[in-house]
Amino acid sequence: DIVLTQSPDSLTVSLGERATINCKSSQSVLYSSGNKNYLAWYQQKPGQPPKLLIYWASTRESGVPDRFSGSGSGTDFTLTISSLQAEDVAVYYCQQYHRSPRTFGQGTNVEIK
Amino acid sequence: QVQLQQWGAGLLKPSETLSLTCAVYGGSFSGYYWTWIRQPPGKGLEWIGEINHRGSTDYNPSLKSRVTMSVDTSRNQFSLKLDSVIAADTAVYYCTRGYYYGFDFWGQGALVTVSS
Repeated sequence: DIVLTQSPDSLTVSLGERATINCKSSQSVLYSSGNKNYLAWYQQKPGQPPKLLIYWASTRESGVPDRFSGSGSGTDFTLTISSLQAEDVAVYYCQQYHRSPRTFGQGTNVEIK
Repeated sequence: QVQLQQWGAGLLKPSETLSLTCAVYGGSFSGYYWTWIRQPPGKGLEWIGEINHRGSTDYNPSLKSRVTMSVDTSRNQFSLKLDSVIAADTAVYYCTRGYYYGFDFWGQGALVTVSS
């Protein structure tokens, strides 16, 4: 199985400041023939299902604010929230869909300082 | 707009069979991977498996011996059965639509509790 390890487990950031979450994969998730990284990021608020934010490592899902961005390739990826808002308090997960079984990172809890 | 609505029994005894169904409203039923994902209370997400409109399945090896997924294309529904449940199967179970970019539409989630 592909293991995704997120860091940190928890993050406390002031309103308006930048939040950065890392996701490291045990194997490359780059699909070479399409030159796409099969990695997604999700946001989950309490009592809600996860919401897809970013796919192909850096493509923002429709309707997602542009303060959310994804970067990285191969085995190392980053989700950045450029200016943290109160509504961004949530747990964030990375997920790979390059190989079966699909796997998720353990999650990063983002809170306001 | 695509909507997924799920239902099933919420309280089971050990050794019973978990059974959940998810109905898809809006959008195409073909061309996607209809997926079940679970989340134990306070923990992370676990992919259970997926099925397409033709009935082809792919299950997580960790659960494969106990999982059966099925599809009813006439009703745009798909279902999950998990045999011989134990306390560790207690979780919120989500149905979701999968594609080559991840899981974009999700059901509301159903808490299934296994307790004697």
